[in-house]
Amino acid sequence: NAGVTQTPKFQVLKTGQSMTLQCAQDMNHNSMYWYRQDPGMGLRLIYYSASEGTTDKGEVPNGYNVSRLNKREFSLRLESAAPSQTSVYFCASSASSYEQYFGPGTRLTVT
Amino acid sequence: AQSVAQPEDQVNVAEGNPLTVKCTYSVSGNPYLFWYVQYPNRGLQFLLKYITGDNLVKGSYGFEAEFNKSQTSFHLKKPSALVSDSALYFCAVRVFSGSARQLTFGSGTQLTVLP
Repeated sequence: NAGVTQTPKFQVLKTGQSMTLQCAQDMNHNSMYWYRQDPGMGLRLIYYSASEGTTDKGEVPNGYNVSRLNKREFSLRLESAAPSQTSVYFCASSASSYEQYFGPGTRLTVT
Repeated sequence: AQSVAQPEDQVNVAEGNPLTVKCTYSVSGNPYLFWYVQYPNRGLQFLLKYITGDNLVKGSYGFEAEFNKSQTSFHLKKPSALVSDSALYFCAVRVFSGSARQLTFGSGTQLTVLP
């Protein structure tokens, strides 16, 4: 099993450009999550999806949109990138056992 | 609001010595607590969790954590540190919000094990 995979690994955008971060899991988990990680701030939840067909806002949703394409895939879209969105983005998934399993991350720089 | 705090940004310990990484929590009701480790340029890896039962929880790589309800703490411990344990450690608590089980993370503690 690959677990949670994310693409791309690295991305550089100019202010105002758009992009979609892709995430897929092969563990048959119902719930999926998008976080951003900034130095000294831990991980902050952007959006989550409790199950296929549902999405909800987390702590820092502004400037982002998500799509739960099917049970395996959960994408994060930046419509108009801003320098404040420079961060490392992590996707995670979980089943009923509470712990979450994380992907390797996408390092995004917005200039 | 439910939260966790990691009071130390950095912990240094000599190889072979015991290590402790501190975490305190603030929740209403029974806490569900977790520890994760992050190696450089990697995602977070689950180490252990406390849901209920014994206050001493054993996890991966020889780590354990002690749940202390009276002190609202969940400190991560290891009897003998290895240089390879050097990493960023996060404590997390499950929160009840919306339609999914969410985790709230502490700010992280950088552990450095000195050879």
